[in-house]
Amino acid sequence: DTGVSQDPRHKITKRGQNVTFRCDPISEHNRLYWYRQTLGQGPEFLTYFQNEAQLEKSRLLSDRFSAERPKGSFSTLEIQRTEQGDSAMYLCASSRGGTDTSGRVLGYEQFFGPGTRLTVL
Amino acid sequence: TQLLEQSPQFLSIQEGENLTVYCNSSSVFSSLQWYRQEPGEGPVLLVTVVTGGEVKKLKRLTFQFGDARKDSSLHITAAQPGDTGLYLCAGSGGGATNKLIFGTGTLLAVQP
Repeated sequence: DTGVSQDPRHKITKRGQNVTFRCDPISEHNRLYWYRQTLGQGPEFLTYFQNEAQLEKSRLLSDRFSAERPKGSFSTLEIQRTEQGDSAMYLCASSRGGTDTSGRVLGYEQFFGPGTRLTVL
Repeated sequence: TQLLEQSPQFLSIQEGENLTVYCNSSSVFSSLQWYRQEPGEGPVLLVTVVTGGEVKKLKRLTFQFGDARKDSSLHITAAQPGDTGLYLCAGSGGGATNKLIFGTGTLLAVQP
């Protein structure tokens, strides 16, 4: 199975520490997304990469958050000076871009990884 | 701002019953996806609907996209305990990013 993978699956940290999460998308997917999900809510969009370019960032992404996708493959999400409000599930998703041979738009379907559960004490 | 409202928020039924989950918005979406999520895991894609009025079936699950592409429904026939989970609808406004706007989810519990 070559689905989206995320590491670590769980992270417990103390307030003020920095944390970094990794996402490995499906290999042929050039689009990569980060979402955040808090308890009882649906995921919320954080940021989007097309290949190595970060093309959109949500207002949810404060200046303590930074994301990279240096070679257009895996991506990292770093949170500096963590706060208790950062506790959430961080989800990565990937999708294809462009159209198929029949002209159908690809990229509507996003495939999610298992997520990284962050707990800030 | 595009918003998706799901109803009901919680549903507890007996095995064998039928149910319908609704996903509504005042905004038009280019596509709409349904996911199922289990505790501690990421959402798993069930279906994508793109055309207004489209109906897709996946075994006992039937998905419908509204004619105006503003709403959708998920109908489960003869629910089984394995259907238990959080069902999420997510709309894409299209555009350059295709980022997803998620509904708040419907938590389904099917009792044996």
